[in-house]
Amino acid sequence: DADVTQTPRNRITKTGKRIMLECSQTKGHDRMYWYRQDPGLGLRLIYYSFDVKDINKGEISDGYSVSRQAQAKFSLSLESAIPNQTALYFCATSDPGLAGGQFTDTQYFGPGTRLTVL
Amino acid sequence: AQKVTQAQTEISVVEKEDVTLDCVYETRDTTYYLFWYKQPPSGELVFLIRRNSFDEQNEISGRYSWNFQKSTSSFNFTITASQVVDSAVYFCALNSGANSKLTFGKGITLSVRP
Repeated sequence: DADVTQTPRNRITKTGKRIMLECSQTKGHDRMYWYRQDPGLGLRLIYYSFDVKDINKGEISDGYSVSRQAQAKFSLSLESAIPNQTALYFCATSDPGLAGGQFTDTQYFGPGTRLTVL
Repeated sequence: AQKVTQAQTEISVVEKEDVTLDCVYETRDTTYYLFWYKQPPSGELVFLIRRNSFDEQNEISGRYSWNFQKSTSSFNFTITASQVVDSAVYFCALNSGANSKLTFGKGITLSVRP
């Protein structure tokens, strides 16, 4: 089974609808992230959480909200979807530990959710 | 502020050619971490390598090699004897400071033709 899963994998919705994207992980990592990917723009950070009581805005948080229900679950909501939120959304996890004296806060990504807002 | 520049947007090569993907970064931090990720046509993001700022050793993994040069703020990725399966978008990313946020470049689309 995949370590980081995202549901749904694809979603088509209409302007104004509320949408929730879910992310679950079995890696035991404390840190979780939501990114969106747009063609030619790379990945941009929406929100991140370093533990269940910690939520932080990223560079493009407007129009989005998140919920960290447990260490393993981090959901992204679009309260009222608009067409320019059409994108590929990724969840990622990381663990800021040290291994062999080296920093290991590598982010591991889920398979992505392709969201289309009509 | 941190920034990653991948000046090449698309590269097309014929199978078995060597290809180098360039990455230039900017950061004021003295401790930072550089990453490469691969995004094949299926869409997932696959972690390839992490390099710490205090370790300038080059790394080789099979047909892949990475050249980290602090003097030029570059972390370039070379694929030797490219294969069709190497066709993907490749992202370079930078993590500096204590907040663990990754800054991504815009990606390089590599097409390897048979």
